[in-house]
Amino acid sequence: QSALTQPASVSGSPGQSITISCTGTSSDVGGYNYVSWYQQHPGKAPKLMIYDVSNRPSGVSNRFSGSKSGNTASLTISGLQAEDEADYYCSSYTSSSTLLFGGGTKLTVL
Amino acid sequence: QVQLVQSGAEVKKPGSSVKVSCKASGGTFSSYAISWVRQAPGQGLEWMGGIIPIFGTANYAQKFQGRVTITTDESTSTAYMELSSLRSEDTAVYYCARDPTGSSWLRFDYWGQGTLVTVSS
Repeated sequence: QSALTQPASVSGSPGQSITISCTGTSSDVGGYNYVSWYQQHPGKAPKLMIYDVSNRPSGVSNRFSGSKSGNTASLTISGLQAEDEADYYCSSYTSSSTLLFGGGTKLTVL
Repeated sequence: QVQLVQSGAEVKKPGSSVKVSCKASGGTFSSYAISWVRQAPGQGLEWMGGIIPIFGTANYAQKFQGRVTITTDESTSTAYMELSSLRSEDTAVYYCARDPTGSSWLRFDYWGQGTLVTVSS
């Protein structure tokens, strides 16, 4: 199975909003509400930011939100802050009872 | 507080095997599924496989079928990932991660610190 498709990079200025897309197929993103998003700073382990498409774990800022339409999921970060600069990965459960990650998106805060 | 503590860095020769451990504390080990995720230098995350300790059943990504084995030892709350027939492309940081739902690999709320495995002749 191929990785889910994410843009390689996105950027935004402090205070702005950005959206990162994650495109799969009906066998993964489109078939299940088990899309998660992770934030990873250099040299650190990933951190769960969104699960089950749009749920935020306790302690994650409400500036982070998730949604899904068809085979594409999205992560939106509003009120961009310098500390949001990181790599972001989506993941989805699949019809093969496996997990797929996206290729990752590097967010630059200008 | 849940913690996943992994074994230390390894340097291996091509063709050999490596076994990485992941010791859990602060939770009920058998209640959660454990997955292994790797990240090659400068690359993205890649799910290798997972295991549900209470059932003892593992599932693997097709790419790693036949080369990876994931096991658990409930007596020590430790999960293991063994990768065989190592090649240079297996050089990566290997993470263990916990799924709190206990039934599969839907989301990972806790991660180990990562173990660097270097494959070099």
